[in-house]
Amino acid sequence: AQSVTQLDSQVPVFEEAPVELRCNYSSSVSVYLFWYVQYPNQGLQLLLKYLSGSTLVESINGFEAEFNKSQTSFHLRKPSVHISDTAEYFCAVSLQAAGNKLTFGGGTRVLVKP
Amino acid sequence: DVKVTQSSRYLVKRTGEKVFLECVQDMDHENMFWYRQDPGLGLRLIYFSYDVKMKEKGDIPEGYSVSREKKERFSLILESASTNQTSMYLCASYSNPLQPQHFGDGTRLSIL
Repeated sequence: AQSVTQLDSQVPVFEEAPVELRCNYSSSVSVYLFWYVQYPNQGLQLLLKYLSGSTLVESINGFEAEFNKSQTSFHLRKPSVHISDTAEYFCAVSLQAAGNKLTFGGGTRVLVKP
Repeated sequence: DVKVTQSSRYLVKRTGEKVFLECVQDMDHENMFWYRQDPGLGLRLIYFSYDVKMKEKGDIPEGYSVSREKKERFSLILESASTNQTSMYLCASYSNPLQPQHFGDGTRLSIL
């Protein structure tokens, strides 16, 4: 079975500073990879996804993630964060052969300070 | 835009009660999911359904059951609520495997 590890449970960061959220997964077969974001008192929203093709994927609000197959990682980065990026971020994987049944990591809570 | 609606944002029930959590989606999605979210554990899949009257167990089905009588509605049932079922419950749906799951805003359930 696959598993997902988010190495940091909380990441405090100052506004306009860069941030990196780490995600590693284990799976013996090919996977799809996702980052979801949960703002306070809301459900999860898809931030970005890797299905195939270019290993660098970007979101519309400045986040990017890079799929590294050899290191089984899918780290999320943003070069300059805003206060509005304060949220919890979840990395998730699904097996390519199993549709969209997701396995989530434990989440990383990002707190952006002014 | 896809909308997934969970009937209650906050719910307080007592130990031993039978509890129903309702979820409705408006996009004719075949696939629906119930997760529970706990700090440090992320989201864990309780049950999912690929079609009406069809259900499959997820990773933590014990103490729960589900019902899907209509395509748009997926209900989670706690047969006899216990305090360890105090959690945030999230419903999600999607149409095909290459599209993301769409989530409701969650129901924060407290069992006293």
